[in-house]
Amino acid sequence: EVQLVESGGGLVQPGRSLKLSCAASGFTFSNYYMAWVRQAPKKGLEWVATISTSGSRTYYPDSVKGRFTISRDNAKSSLYLQMNSLKSEDTATYYCASVGVLWYFDFWGPGTMVTVSS
Amino acid sequence: DVQMTQSPSNLAASPGESVSINCKASKSISKYLAWYQQKPGKANKLLIYSGSTLQSGTPSRFSGSGSGTDFTLTIRNLEPEDFGLYYCQQHNEYPYTFGAGTKLELK
Repeated sequence: EVQLVESGGGLVQPGRSLKLSCAASGFTFSNYYMAWVRQAPKKGLEWVATISTSGSRTYYPDSVKGRFTISRDNAKSSLYLQMNSLKSEDTATYYCASVGVLWYFDFWGPGTMVTVSS
Repeated sequence: DVQMTQSPSNLAASPGESVSINCKASKSISKYLAWYQQKPGKANKLLIYSGSTLQSGTPSRFSGSGSGTDFTLTIRNLEPEDFGLYYCQQHNEYPYTFGAGTKLELK
């Protein structure tokens, strides 16, 4: 059974940094592109980052480019999201997701909440 | 960026009924449209991708149609577990974008 479990969320002040983690199990992690998707309170879903199987290629929307960095450790079956220069608009639940062969998100974790506030 | 417009925002129905949710893209995305279900306390679930391909485990009462800019998710013979939020997402090009969601409620 595929399992994705995020951790590392919490309350952080604007301008500070936070690193999220996602532990994967139940599938061959190193064979899958992975992604982060977020959801602000009472809002819709927003794609945040995607990383290739080796980690050599990463993709971001303009809203987080230059501030967020996605990375992975295939030996540990773990995905990460380093978030710098956090803004109040980054407040959201962050989901880890596996990426299907045609770029949809086929499995999701339960999410971890990040609140950016002074 | 491709804008995804979902309608309706809210939908009320009874078990056994059929409902349709629409998703319109601001430009052609070929067939690359996915549908997700979101329910409290559960992981988001991929239902359909590439417009009409059911993800493994998705019940056959769910179906997807459309191509280009206009897509529809149809749920026939609603079951109690089908009530929740539904999102569309284009998986044709970066940045991948989602619709604003449709809340399917019990009438």
